[in-house]
Amino acid sequence: GQNIDQPTEMTATEGAIVQINCTYQTSGFNGLFWYQQHAGEAPTFLSYNVLDGLEEKGRFSSFLSRSKGYSYRLLKELQMKDSASYLCAGMNNNAGNMLTFGGGTRLMVKP
Amino acid sequence: DAGITQSPRYKITETGRQVTLMCHQTWSHSYMFWYRQDLGHGLRLIYYSAAADITDKGEVPDGYVVSRSKTENFPLTLESATRSQTSVYFCASMGAEETQYFGPGTRLLVL
Repeated sequence: GQNIDQPTEMTATEGAIVQINCTYQTSGFNGLFWYQQHAGEAPTFLSYNVLDGLEEKGRFSSFLSRSKGYSYRLLKELQMKDSASYLCAGMNNNAGNMLTFGGGTRLMVKP
Repeated sequence: DAGITQSPRYKITETGRQVTLMCHQTWSHSYMFWYRQDLGHGLRLIYYSAAADITDKGEVPDGYVVSRSKTENFPLTLESATRSQTSVYFCASMGAEETQYFGPGTRLLVL
């Protein structure tokens, strides 16, 4: 299987930039997903990286390095509504392309 | 309405009782999943289904039973509920590019 590691909590200020890191074991790796989950709600899809590099979409970016087993989610111009948990999930082609989720990073945005 | 729904949204039961959680999706997605989410463990896969009448165990299947007689429905049954099964249960289905879309969740309390 895969181990997915990400920090438990992060705090940042409104308007700032924050980077949420995720590391994973590379065995059978076939893609990296990021989900956002607000308290009491379901996870919602943010991004999917399968190739190395940075993908940008508005205030948000997601980066992947397959050789290093490393990904990050970058949030710019933070807004209060960005306060949520961010879940990193690795897809494993040795396990029928099932997802293994990290424990999530709870981001708190302060005024 | 299109999408993925779960019922009930909240359930309180007693130890030893049988409980069935329902999941319904209108996208005709082949793959469906059941996860549980607990503090300190993140999302863990209980069972998944690749198509009608095809199901397989995930990471934490003990104490659970699933069936999939129709593509759109994927019920999860706790045959004899235990307190350790108190959790939030999420159903998901897989769309394009292996992206999973989650239902709103069922909050289950076993007394």
